[in-house]
Amino acid sequence: EIVLTQSPGTLSLSPGERATLSCRASQSVSSSYLAWYQQKPGQAPRLLIYGASSRATGIPDRFSGSGSGTDFTLTISRLEPEDFAVYYCQQYGETFGQGTKVEIK
Amino acid sequence: QVQLVQSGAEVKKPGSSVKVSCKASGGTFSSYDISWVRQAPGQGLQWMGGIIPIFATANYAQRFQGRVTLTTDESTSTAYMELRSLRSEDTAVYYCARLIAAAGHFDSWGQGTLVTVSS
Repeated sequence: EIVLTQSPGTLSLSPGERATLSCRASQSVSSSYLAWYQQKPGQAPRLLIYGASSRATGIPDRFSGSGSGTDFTLTISRLEPEDFAVYYCQQYGETFGQGTKVEIK
Repeated sequence: QVQLVQSGAEVKKPGSSVKVSCKASGGTFSSYDISWVRQAPGQGLQWMGGIIPIFATANYAQRFQGRVTLTTDESTSTAYMELRSLRSEDTAVYYCARLIAAAGHFDSWGQGTLVTVSS
């Protein structure tokens, strides 16, 4: 069973700063099946990135994904107020990371 | 654009069962791959299982095997998740989501259904 470990658990940043979130897999995974989601309190998760680096429909270009093998990264180039949320990585449907909370510093 | 609308919140006693519905619109329901994902309070996302209506065969996460049943009704474009032998640890928000099987991600989500298990 593949385990996804996200780091850090919490990221404290100010609007306008760059956020770098990590997702590490316990074994190599296909980048075709690596996705990222954003979740705000009281809302369902929203797809941001699929195939490790493709933005979902309507997602601003300040969000980008990269990586391969066991190490993947979600980058938010300049944080907007609406970007403060919890982010999850996911590998082919069944496996989610534990999440990274991006909070306002 | 696929829309998924779930049934309302439930309060259940330990040992009982709950059945949550997820009605789909926009697209061909029979070909969807519908998964159920739950989220306990303050916790992360946990995949429970998935079903494709046209095949009527479900697959389940090991930890829920034997306690959860996924079904669909193509006549109403609705998917159902039944969880039995409820315990307090099953208190969570339950989401349905459409899986894009070729790529393994969920592109549409229901709004979530809170199930509270309490005596």
